[in-house]
Amino acid sequence: GAVVSQHPSWVICKSGTSVKIECRSLDFQATTMFWYRQFPKQSLMLMATSNEGSKATYEQGVEKDKFLINHASLTLSTLTVTSAHPEDSSFYICSARDGAGQGAGWGNQPQHFGDGTRLSIL
Amino acid sequence: EDKVVQSPLSLVVHEGDTVTLNCSYEVTNFRSLLWYKQEKKAPTFLFMLTSSGIEKKSGRLSSILDKKELFSILNITATQTGDSAVYLCAVGPSGNTGKLIFGQGTTLQVKP
Repeated sequence: GAVVSQHPSWVICKSGTSVKIECRSLDFQATTMFWYRQFPKQSLMLMATSNEGSKATYEQGVEKDKFLINHASLTLSTLTVTSAHPEDSSFYICSARDGAGQGAGWGNQPQHFGDGTRLSIL
Repeated sequence: EDKVVQSPLSLVVHEGDTVTLNCSYEVTNFRSLLWYKQEKKAPTFLFMLTSSGIEKKSGRLSSILDKKELFSILNITATQTGDSAVYLCAVGPSGNTGKLIFGQGTTLQVKP
């Protein structure tokens, strides 16, 4: 159980293009999903927390107009990198916790990760 | 500032060796500590630790948490080449944000 699917796994596109990445929880509901960015040989950096039915919460230094997040249902969150440039090239990973709500047990569930999306902007 | 520090940053061993990976943390409100294994794609979950002194074990891997000294260790016995990966430690502050703070990771290479 607790499978998170991320699509696409690899994107190559020209500078100035907008790219949408999908994150789905396949066998559970998740009111909250997380988007991370990882540079080569570095750890995961949290970009934003995606909240179903409300605005995402962005970490300090992350441009919300650049990285648009939509969490329209309990099983799907999308990250759109708008007008992407070469410096946006990175590995983007989403995660989700098993739990439709934020009850007492939710905080004790580990985050499960999608397989990531490698974004290359030419 | 909340932070998670892992050591060593990289490690090379031979098959059959035992390794110990370290993770220390400083967070305002601690809830849980998690270990993940990352190979070529996204991290896969290994352990979640919330209580001090209780060892979690899965096959050749085990982990324990010390909330007084603010650290955790991940042990791998009888290492195999398939254990080669980046091992990530993450700490979850309390509350319902669900946010995790990751350490830099330890890159483990197991040679045949």
